[in-house]
Amino acid sequence: QQQVKQSPQSLIVQKGGISIINCAYENTAFDYFPWYQQFPGKGPALLIAIRPDVSEKKVGRFTISFNKSAKQFSLHIMDSQPGDSATYFCAARGGPYSGAGSYQLTFGKGTKLSVIP
Amino acid sequence: NAGVTQTPKFQVLKTGQSMTLQCAQDMNHNSMYWYRQDPGMGLRLIYYSASEGTTDKGEVPNGYNVSRLNKREFSLRLESAAPSQTSVYFCASSPRDSSFNQPQHFGDGTRLSIL
Repeated sequence: QQQVKQSPQSLIVQKGGISIINCAYENTAFDYFPWYQQFPGKGPALLIAIRPDVSEKKVGRFTISFNKSAKQFSLHIMDSQPGDSATYFCAARGGPYSGAGSYQLTFGKGTKLSVIP
Repeated sequence: NAGVTQTPKFQVLKTGQSMTLQCAQDMNHNSMYWYRQDPGMGLRLIYYSASEGTTDKGEVPNGYNVSRLNKREFSLRLESAAPSQTSVYFCASSPRDSSFNQPQHFGDGTRLSIL
């Protein structure tokens, strides 16, 4: 059972355009929703995160929109740049492997974003 | 400040060989994690350690063992490597508290090929 579903798998956007990546979840016990950015040959790095009591969070050109009733959240990248080309993972904290004292992240399968000049 | 350091960065093994992947963090984090990343599969949790002295299975633990050597170090062992374990392995760490802004920090991975 896939806990966090992410789409699309790949995305090509023109420079200056808007990139949109969507995620959906089932488990209402998730309490924190981060997005990670990964460049080739590197580990994922936290990009932006949101709590479920907030509907939107913006950091620079990156915005998370969160719809608690629909159990969906999305990442919008405004004015996309070639340097944004990377793989993006949504994640949710909590889930079946959460044990006392640790904060498990369940990841989506990733979206490979290519921003073309 | 190195963050999370993984060694080795690359390794090629033959089927049946054993190997230990090393991970160390210098952020005084309590919790540490091992993930594997395969194309189109995202990151899947293999094992985690909530604190020094404890380890628990994640989503895909079969064929692996772990050791939390001390607060800084968390190793992953493949006792008898199989081609299905060809993957990129990531170690991560996080503080042990409920604060919102406490993300998992990842190393740069170990790329493992098993022939």
